[in-house]
Amino acid sequence: GAVVSQHPSRVICKSGTSVKIECRSLDFQATTMFWYRQFPKQSLMLMATSNEGSKATYEQGVEKDKFLINHASLTLSTLTVTSAHPEDSSFYICSAPPSGGPRIYYNEQFFGPGTRLTVL
Amino acid sequence: AQTVTQSQPEMSVQEAETVTLSCTYDTSESNYYLFWYKQPPSRQMILVIRQEAYKQQNATENRFSVNFQKAAKSFSLKISDSQLGDTAMYFCAFTTGANSKLTFGKGITLSVRP
Repeated sequence: GAVVSQHPSRVICKSGTSVKIECRSLDFQATTMFWYRQFPKQSLMLMATSNEGSKATYEQGVEKDKFLINHASLTLSTLTVTSAHPEDSSFYICSAPPSGGPRIYYNEQFFGPGTRLTVL
Repeated sequence: AQTVTQSQPEMSVQEAETVTLSCTYDTSESNYYLFWYKQPPSRQMILVIRQEAYKQQNATENRFSVNFQKAAKSFSLKISDSQLGDTAMYFCAFTTGANSKLTFGKGITLSVRP
């Protein structure tokens, strides 16, 4: 159990367009989801915390108008990169800690497989 | 604020041998959780092992074990009988609770040589 999916896995878009990335918890509910950005050979950088039913919390330096986050339900969070530019090209990963369920899951976050975004 | 430090960028180990990956952290919290995650070339993050700070006993998961030194704020990962499939980037991570963010170290690239 405890599977997180992301869609799409890869996306190539033209500069100036918007791209939506979905993160779904398939077999558990998550009131909170996290969005990370990762460059090659580097660590994960937290971009924002997605909260079901309320506004996302963005990390310092992350443009909230550029990276729109919506947590529409207890199993779905979306990240929309608006007016994408080549510098937005990166690997985006989401994670979700289960809101309930078996105690063995407590305090653990489950990660999606990531989305590789390339902006031409 | 919490910080996690992994000072070794790369390590290499011969297959079947043992290797230890270092991690230190800094926090003023008394209750927290530590993790080691593995990221293979597929880039899927995989949980290797977790440790609750309130537990004195070091966590073990098959070939993986930790040396958790709470006073020294150290959390190293030992991989025994290294296998080629252990080749990956390894991240040490810290959180204060279930819905709290994970703070990651910079990671270490581990290569297992045949």
